[in-house]
Amino acid sequence: GDSVTQMEGPVTLSEEAFLTINCTYTATGYPSLFWYVQYPGEGLQLLLKATKADDKGSNKGFEATYRKETTSFHLEKGSVQVSDSAVYFCAHTNTGNQFYFGTGTSLTVIP
Amino acid sequence: NAGVTQTPKFQVLKTGQSMTLQCAQDMNHNSMYWYRQDPGMGLRLIYYSASEGTTDKGEVPNGYNVSRLNKREFSLRLESAAPSQTSVYFCASSFPERTDTQYFGPGTRLTVL
Repeated sequence: GDSVTQMEGPVTLSEEAFLTINCTYTATGYPSLFWYVQYPGEGLQLLLKATKADDKGSNKGFEATYRKETTSFHLEKGSVQVSDSAVYFCAHTNTGNQFYFGTGTSLTVIP
Repeated sequence: NAGVTQTPKFQVLKTGQSMTLQCAQDMNHNSMYWYRQDPGMGLRLIYYSASEGTTDKGEVPNGYNVSRLNKREFSLRLESAAPSQTSVYFCASSFPERTDTQYFGPGTRLTVL
């Protein structure tokens, strides 16, 4: 069935380090792919999305490219900041009603 | 524009007690959802409502009931709470298109003793 697998955490990085969080998906058809971010004590909010193969989603210095051939949507940022500390969720949907979320990757950035 | 609001923020129940979690959205979205978030398991869909007047089961519906009161409001009821229902509950809403995102409320942290 449909699912999302993302990199286990927690991840701890120094400020200005390069970030990669891996995400692979299993889905029928051509899903839309999303990265959500959850700050402590808050609900999830959209970070970026890509709706078709080879699209690149980007926001706040984060990027992810829809790779259909490897069924992946890895999240990257060139230089992380302390304010990026949060939990990151990869997700996909084919229909807009049923979303499949990964288990989340906790990121801590230390000064 | 408040987005998605949830009440209460925190709740402690004893086993067997009942309660209703409330959710409302002011974005004129057609679809609304209830998820639970547990450590190491991500978000799991409990129920969703694709439009006013319809509801459907998600991945983990047992022990829950829902009501889509109108286009704005979608409530989740626990008739007889169990410790296994200790979790953080999130409501979300969206236009049900495959390209559209879901908007989440701030969550309700529920503890069942």
